[in-house]
Amino acid sequence: QITLKESGPTLVKPTQTLTLTCTFSGFSLSTIGVGVGWIRQPPGKALEWLALIFWNDDKYYSPSLKTRLTIDKDTSENQVVLKMTNMDPVDTATYYCAHIPHRKLANWFDPWGQGTLVTVSS
Amino acid sequence: QSVLSQPPSVSGAPGQTVTISCTGSSSNIGAGYDVHWYQQLPGTAPKLLIYNNNNRPSGVPDRFSGSNSGTSTSLAVTGLQAEDEATYYCQSYDILSASRIFGGGTKLIVL
Repeated sequence: QITLKESGPTLVKPTQTLTLTCTFSGFSLSTIGVGVGWIRQPPGKALEWLALIFWNDDKYYSPSLKTRLTIDKDTSENQVVLKMTNMDPVDTATYYCAHIPHRKLANWFDPWGQGTLVTVSS
Repeated sequence: QSVLSQPPSVSGAPGQTVTISCTGSSSNIGAGYDVHWYQQLPGTAPKLLIYNNNNRPSGVPDRFSGSNSGTSTSLAVTGLQAEDEATYYCQSYDILSASRIFGGGTKLIVL
């Protein structure tokens, strides 16, 4: 059974850097084809893809947020870390990590973590 | 504004059939990129409902089905049940933006 769980601060100040960790079990990021993605959802709004990383360390970012995002993996610890710089109140959202079972451009995400709400406020 | 367009809401009575549309363009659905659907129950994380246009993961009832046509795709829910009340999102890939993209979401209301 694959499970993922997000962790990190629930409150960050504007201009700070957000660091989120996705800790997973039930799969290995050393398995060919497998990846982990990050998606966020502002309160009451739609889902927005942020970044993803594959077993071979290939990384992809949302073009609109690319300059602010960094994704990395620690295969031995079964973790993926997402960093987002220069946080703003509009970045207030629930942040999800999700398993990618099969590498392709139009990949799907399954399953998802429970999500973690991050509020940006001074 | 989402690259994939969905109606904000649809509704139906128990037992009825509803369809949710997801309209894209020639740079995503029209280019042949697969579409996936997620169900998000209130206060919970999204759950994969349909992958690769019309495939159901194990455990998803066959009341849910997906279909494609040109630059749009649809999710059909037959035999509507109260537990189907949720928000549904479509997702694909857009070659112009080189981005995984989601629709704006459709709230399914069971009357």
